[in-house]
Amino acid sequence: GAVVSQHPSWVICKSGTSVKIECRSLDFQATTMFWYRQFPKQSLMLMATSNEGSKATYEQGVEKDKFLINHASLTLSTLTVTSAHPEDSSFYICSADRSNTGELFFGEGSRLTVL
Amino acid sequence: GNSVTQMEGPVTLSEEAFLTINCTYTATGYPSLFWYVQYPGEGLQLLLKATKADDKGSNKGFEATYRKETTSFHLEKGSVQVSDSAVYFCALKTSYDKVIFGPGTSLSVIP
Repeated sequence: GAVVSQHPSWVICKSGTSVKIECRSLDFQATTMFWYRQFPKQSLMLMATSNEGSKATYEQGVEKDKFLINHASLTLSTLTVTSAHPEDSSFYICSADRSNTGELFFGEGSRLTVL
Repeated sequence: GNSVTQMEGPVTLSEEAFLTINCTYTATGYPSLFWYVQYPGEGLQLLLKATKADDKGSNKGFEATYRKETTSFHLEKGSVQVSDSAVYFCALKTSYDKVIFGPGTSLSVIP
């Protein structure tokens, strides 16, 4: 069964609103989780590394004030897309490395559509 | 820096055809190598992995061998099925870096 779960799997919102996506590790504690963005027919773009109890580490070019990441517990990381605009529409995926071996477990993904 | 290169897609094959998706990498040290698969509308899942040179990863009829001398980790399957239609990502991880993904190769298998 799934070991990493995301919610919601899809969301539609109006431009200017904020949307929160949750990522949970189901049967292990994840001190680190990763947030990716995937455009149609393109590869995964790592947005940020979420660290439990500390600030997230953002990749170059990713606006930290736009994509707020909170990793308040060992099983939950959240990504909030603030003041969403149509260009933020995308497939957002989280993952966690259960054993720090590079073997990532991925959430189901969340498809965001901003109208 | 570390990087992964995959063959350009999309790849279209007839059912029961032989599949090869090439993957080469550049890395410092001795990375672990992975193939992930993304079925339509889903997140990624690990398909197979190899952690050291000459290891062969296998799963669901897919195989890939870690070739240090050619820095390659090509994915193969002897007879593809329609259900194998997906996007395949080659990836690597070294001890001190995050997982690096290739650009992905889209595979369509037609009956």
